Amino acid sequence: QVQLKESGPGLVQPSQTLSLTCTVAGFSLTSYNVHWVRQPPGKGLEWMGVIWNTGGTRYNSALKSRLSISKDTSKSQVFLKMNSLQTEDTATYYCAREGRGGIRGTDYWGQGVMVTVSS
Amino acid sequence: DIQMTQSPSFLSASVGDRVTINCKASQNINRYLNWYQQKLGEAPKLLIYNANSLQTGIPSRFSGSGSGTDFTLTISSLQPEDVATYFCLQHNSWPWTFGGGTKLELK
Repeated sequence: QVQLKESGPGLVQPSQTLSLTCTVAGFSLTSYNVHWVRQPPGKGLEWMGVIWNTGGTRYNSALKSRLSISKDTSKSQVFLKMNSLQTEDTATYYCAREGRGGIRGTDYWGQGVMVTVSS
Repeated sequence: DIQMTQSPSFLSASVGDRVTINCKASQNINRYLNWYQQKLGEAPKLLIYNANSLQTGIPSRFSGSGSGTDFTLTISSLQPEDVATYFCLQHNSWPWTFGGGTKLELK
């Protein structure tokens, strides 16, 4: 069945780079787009960016200068890297698959990984 | 960016009640709106896509309506397992944006 699972460090120091991995199962990254979304504690969800099945990317302009999304199709993994982290980047980070055919938007999500930015 | 205003933020209802949650877009998003349910500690689950299409496997007590700027998620008869946070997502324009969420609890 379709599964997405985020992994990465729970704690990152300010000014450092965050590296997260989304490992997927049940579908191919050559056929589906994968998005990253985050949610700071007590706040709303923020769309961060997407990597297309073709390998192209699109980012939220608010994060574009700091964000990079890539993938290794053979390993069924999508990667998020964001530099110059600040305390306001503390959040739960989710990866989500974009639907195909009639289903637009995201259809499956991972459980998320909590990342705290603190010294 | 399109702002999605979701209401109410909190909702307390009894088993069997009809529950409605609203999302209002700051501009026309056609029918490009999805509804999700998120239970504590779990991944968000897609309930409704494209404003009114029920995702496979979702109980028929869930329904969605609306187009343009105003959208509604309805639970026709609330069940205990529906306790969760619900949120909407607009995928008409970049960047995609979300409603602030509605926390639904049992009265």
